[in-house]
Parts: sequence; C-alpha cells; structure tokens
Amino acid sequence: QKEVEQDPGPLSVPEGAIVSLNCTYSNSAFQYFMWYRQYSRKGPELLMYTYSSGNKEDGRFTAQVDKSSKYISLFIRDSQPSDSATYLCAMTDNYGQNFVFGPGTRLSVLP
Amino acid sequence: EAQVTQNPRYLITVTGKKLTVTCSQNMNHEYMSWYRQDPGLGLRQIYYSMNVEVTDKGDVPEGYKVSRKEKRNFPLILESPSPNQTSLYFCASGTSGVDTQYFGPGTRLTVL
Repeated sequence: QKEVEQDPGPLSVPEGAIVSLNCTYSNSAFQYFMWYRQYSRKGPELLMYTYSSGNKEDGRFTAQVDKSSKYISLFIRDSQPSDSATYLCAMTDNYGQNFVFGPGTRLSVLP
Repeated sequence: EAQVTQNPRYLITVTGKKLTVTCSQNMNHEYMSWYRQDPGLGLRQIYYSMNVEVTDKGDVPEGYKVSRKEKRNFPLILESPSPNQTSLYFCASGTSGVDTQYFGPGTRLTVL
C-alpha cells in the first residue's frame, strides 16, 4: 500500500462546476497537508497548506483535512479552463523536512 | 526575479557516465530539496538540506549524492547513472519545509 493514495483521473468537468479532489494517507504522523498545482511542463506551485484537521478557504479553493479518517480534500468552486492542470497533494510531519506526495490527479475544465 | 534555476533542462546520457544537475536559488532560502517525478508515482523526495553543510536522505536516495557548500546552490550528483534513474527531476527551495516550496522548471534526464 502506498503511503499516499490519489485518484489519477483524468477528471473532466464543464466550466463552472465544483471540483472535488481527494487523497488518503496511512501515516498518522503527518501534520501538515498541502495542495500543489502543476501545469504541463512546469514545476509544481503551492496552492494551499493546512495544519492538522479543519478547513481553509482561499478564494475559489477550499482545503479540508480529516485526520481521524486520514483523508484530505481540495474543492474548486466555479472551475475555469485555466484550472486545467495536475493537482498533487503532499504532506509532512511536524519537522517539515521529509515530504510525501500523492501521484496527482489530472483535471480538465472544458469551456 | 525570485526563482529556482536548474541546469541542464534536458540531458541524455549513457549508463555509468557521471553527471551533475545544478540547482540555484536567489531567495536566500535555507531549505532546499530534490525530487524525482515518475508517471503513476508522483514526486518522490531524494535528498533535502535544512542549511549549509546539513543534508539528509529522503525516500529514494540510492544512487544519488548532494552537497550544500553554499546557501544558494544544491547540486544533485549521479556518480554512475543507470536506466532506472531516467526521470523528471525537480529542485525546490523554501524558508522552511512547511512554508511555500518554490520549484524549479525541472530537468528531464534519460539514461541509455
């Protein structure tokens, strides 16, 4: 079993849809949870990070962490074609040195 | 412009020929890290460094070496590359690990 699981997609949605992206993990030591966006032929860029359980909102993006279920989510409201990318979840422990990434979900938002 | 640069961007080499991929950042970051990205496996951490002269292994360090002699540079060394090291490599830097990590543009390495 991989340490972090993520549905690879591809996920295709119409413009304006609400998108839900998810990851599950097995290591209970993880405390920091991040979502990165990666456009084709580019390096990942950080979208959001949260500490421990709870929700965090930033514009059209909402990150949720449920540590009891070892499950994290990223919601994108009013999705745009420019959101088409691969979304990677990542996590680390309190030391914040060693990071584990999910394999990524490829998202296409169709005009 | 704040950025992480990697060189070369593309490299095709043969088994056993030593190579170095350079990484440099101009943001005065203390934390730097190397990752490899493979289809279906995502990003896997190779090595990281919390500061000058301080490096540690990530999840897949076998076959790689690093050094951190200056704060801005963090080269990745493959002493004897093998075909299973064919991958897309990313360097990243940040003020601390859990803060924003800025990724470089990637180096696509093919080992024949």
